[in-house]
Amino acid sequence: AQSVAQPEDQVNVAEGNPLTVKCTYSVSGNPYLFWYVQYPNRGLQFLLKYITGDNLVKGSYGFEAEFNKSQTSFHLKKPSALVSDSALYFCAVRDSRTGGFKTIFGAGTRLFVKA
Amino acid sequence: KAGVTQTPRYLIKTRGQQVTLSCSPISGHRSVSWYQQTPGQGLQFLFEYFSETQRNKGNFPGRFSGRQFSNSRSEMNVSTLELGDSALYLCASSEQGMGVTDTQYFGPGTRLTVL
Repeated sequence: AQSVAQPEDQVNVAEGNPLTVKCTYSVSGNPYLFWYVQYPNRGLQFLLKYITGDNLVKGSYGFEAEFNKSQTSFHLKKPSALVSDSALYFCAVRDSRTGGFKTIFGAGTRLFVKA
Repeated sequence: KAGVTQTPRYLIKTRGQQVTLSCSPISGHRSVSWYQQTPGQGLQFLFEYFSETQRNKGNFPGRFSGRQFSNSRSEMNVSTLELGDSALYLCASSEQGMGVTDTQYFGPGTRLTVL
């Protein structure tokens, strides 16, 4: 069965510093990995996805993520954090063997960026 | 293009009642998925529809049902509401719906409160 873990409930970082939000996954087939961000009282906004190819994926708002097959990880990164990046971040995975859109989401990591 | 829209945005019901939520996908999108988001359980997949057919279903009781119309608009229904059904219900659409790699775009959600 597919699963995804976000080991940190909360990440605190100072504005201007690099940020990392961690994600690990488990699937039986090939993983398709996604990052979404959620602001208060809003739906999820798509940031980026990994399907195949280059392990470093660049997405919206300066975010990027690195796919590491040996460590089954897909950590979200940004070189310089902004206060406006403060939000709830979700990692999600789909399994190539299940098909369709049975997307499994992590529990979410709340990011606080301090000015 | 207009984004995914969900109506109503907020809803208050009492136990035992039933409720219908509506989702209009992005124009041209044929797949619609529904998710339940709660503080305790996080984001959980309910079901996915493509071309008026349910293709995937999560682990929810039969009180939760849905349908999709020929114009791709979707509704979900919850009968005999319980207090634990209080949640943010999110709808997501994607363009083709045939590829597990497609990106889903989320609506703002419907906040359901059961008293």
